Amino acid sequence: DQQVKQNSPSLSVQEGRISILNCDYTNSMFDYFLWYKKYPAEGPTFLISISSIKDKNEDGRFTVFLNKSAKHLSLHIVPSQPGDSAVYFCAATHSGTYKYIFGTGTRLKVLA
Amino acid sequence: DAMVIQNPRYQVTQFGKPVTLSCSQTLNHNVMYWYQQKSSQAPKLLFHYYDKDFNNEADTPDNFQSRRPNTSFCFLDIRSPGLGDAAMYLCATSRGLGGVGQPQHFGDGTRLSIL
Repeated sequence: DQQVKQNSPSLSVQEGRISILNCDYTNSMFDYFLWYKKYPAEGPTFLISISSIKDKNEDGRFTVFLNKSAKHLSLHIVPSQPGDSAVYFCAATHSGTYKYIFGTGTRLKVLA
Repeated sequence: DAMVIQNPRYQVTQFGKPVTLSCSQTLNHNVMYWYQQKSSQAPKLLFHYYDKDFNNEADTPDNFQSRRPNTSFCFLDIRSPGLGDAAMYLCATSRGLGGVGQPQHFGDGTRLSIL
């Protein structure tokens, strides 16, 4: 049972444009959501997170939006840069637990 | 820089030959995790330690064991590796239980190959 789903395995975007990566979840207990970025031959690196009490969190070029009623979150990267090319993982957890459930990742390619 | 270090980065072992992967951290985090990740799949949690308290996932094979001798180090032992155990193994840490402000910090992984 895949509780966190990233339905797009890959995405290509032109440099300077917006990249939108999507993530859906099924467990209504989740109250904390994270995005990680992974370059080849490196471990995932924490990028941005959002608590379920918010619907938006912004950090520079990265914004995460949360739609609790739809159980959907998205990561927006504006403007996209070639260095953003990586695999992006969505993860979810809930307060008081140790478990972070990951999606399968979306490979973003930003074309120069 | 505080970090999570995994050794070795690449490990080749023979079918059935025990292998140990290691992880160390300088973050002084309470929780250490081991994940298995196969190509195009989500990282799969094998087990975690909260301090010395070991927590095994229900579907983690008995072939996988772990040790945490102190706060800084954690080991993954695979007693009799099979071909299906070839994967990337990721170690991660976090300061405490899940919730706001508690992201995980990952090492760069050990890629395990089985001959």
